[in-house]
Amino acid sequence: GAGVSQSPSNKVTEKGKDVELRCDPISGHTALYWYRQSLGQGLEFLIYFQGNSAPDKSGLPSDRFSAERTGGSVSTLTIQRTQQEDSAVYLCASSLFRAAGELFFGEGSRLTVL
Amino acid sequence: DAKTTQPPSMDCAEGRAANLPCNHSTISGNEYVYWYRQIHSQGPQYIIHGLKNNETNEMASLIITEDRKSSTLILPHATLRDTAVYYCIVREETSGSRLTFGEGTQLTVNP
Repeated sequence: GAGVSQSPSNKVTEKGKDVELRCDPISGHTALYWYRQSLGQGLEFLIYFQGNSAPDKSGLPSDRFSAERTGGSVSTLTIQRTQQEDSAVYLCASSLFRAAGELFFGEGSRLTVL
Repeated sequence: DAKTTQPPSMDCAEGRAANLPCNHSTISGNEYVYWYRQIHSQGPQYIIHGLKNNETNEMASLIITEDRKSSTLILPHATLRDTAVYYCIVREETSGSRLTFGEGTQLTVNP
């Protein structure tokens, strides 16, 4: 499809396990964002990639969280040694640099840590 | 990006116009006003944006005051499906910095 694609849509894991969440942005979009949203809460910024620039990682809550964007396209968000407080919906969005305020969001990956 | 202020919640009767205000008194000359909404359990959806002129599309109208310090998103005939959290954001059209969302306004459209 032409939209932002995220996988898996749902992930249930045990505390202490590592998880990987994938985001496939819209083709040609140079900017890619990861946000998370806990139940009943607002959107929490995690990390931002823009072209070949160094990513803005200032929103990552701990060093257990990391993200990569390979080849300027697909991105993977990795959470190591998951904790129950990591349970949330993880949302990915992409945009064109010249339309930096028009973000296109995926449907999200719902992570549940037992 | 300039800070925005929105009421936490609003109610509207189905079929009536919903007018959602946003204050952005520190907006700079090259920053646009963007509106998004998030329907429960879905990712946010872009609605509309503008610089200084009023804008209209198939979803909504955006009215920006002459001094650009505030704006109003108008849903002309609100339906139950318009119940969502509405976010107002100000941002340069080309920007290398992150985009953050505030708390937004929970709009509830009542039958």
